[in-house]
Amino acid sequence: AQKVTQAQTEISVVEKEDVTLDCVYETRDTTYYLFWYKQPPSGELVFLIRRNSFDEQNEISGRYSWNFQKSTSSFNFTITASQVVDSAVYFCALSPLGQGAQKLVFGQGTRLTINP
Amino acid sequence: DAGITQSPRHKVTETGTPVTLRCHQTENHRYMYWYRQDPGHGLRLIHYSYGVKDTDKGEVSDGYSVSRSKTEDFLLTLESATSSQTSVYFCAISERTASTDTQYFGPGTRLTVL
Repeated sequence: AQKVTQAQTEISVVEKEDVTLDCVYETRDTTYYLFWYKQPPSGELVFLIRRNSFDEQNEISGRYSWNFQKSTSSFNFTITASQVVDSAVYFCALSPLGQGAQKLVFGQGTRLTINP
Repeated sequence: DAGITQSPRHKVTETGTPVTLRCHQTENHRYMYWYRQDPGHGLRLIHYSYGVKDTDKGEVSDGYSVSRSKTEDFLLTLESATSSQTSVYFCAISERTASTDTQYFGPGTRLTVL
């Protein structure tokens, strides 16, 4: 069975602080995808990143960076110099890699509040 | 923008009544999904479709049925709504090409069952 755990239910920081959101996963699949989605207060789900299991290079996109470590089954997300607009619920998700339907398994989500 | 719309966006209904939620896409994606979002659970897969008239169950399918008679429409039906089905429902499509393999979500439907 697949499982994604986001142990941090809520995080609150002051603007310009760096913040890391943790994601730990369990899967028996040898190949898989990991995702991060953002859900701002308006409610929509915004795709942030997809990482496949055979690519452990870290990724940076502006103030966002992702650290994928297969050895610890973790895919953590760091926001550098946080801004109020980063306030949202962030979800980590997992799916098998391959043909067919892409059945995502989500973590519980982490609510991030950036205070001015 | 994956061209996904959901209707209605909000609905309040009473226990025991049937409810149908519609998901419409404009880009001919083969795979479509229904998820529900509840506090403490993230999103959970209800049903999915891999083509016209081809559907299968997800993790939390009890009390729900789906239909897909056209590529662009995926309907979720609660035959007899219960209070435990109060939730936010998201439809999604998979964009699976050589360069991308990602799921995109519609705006969601907030359903309240009284």
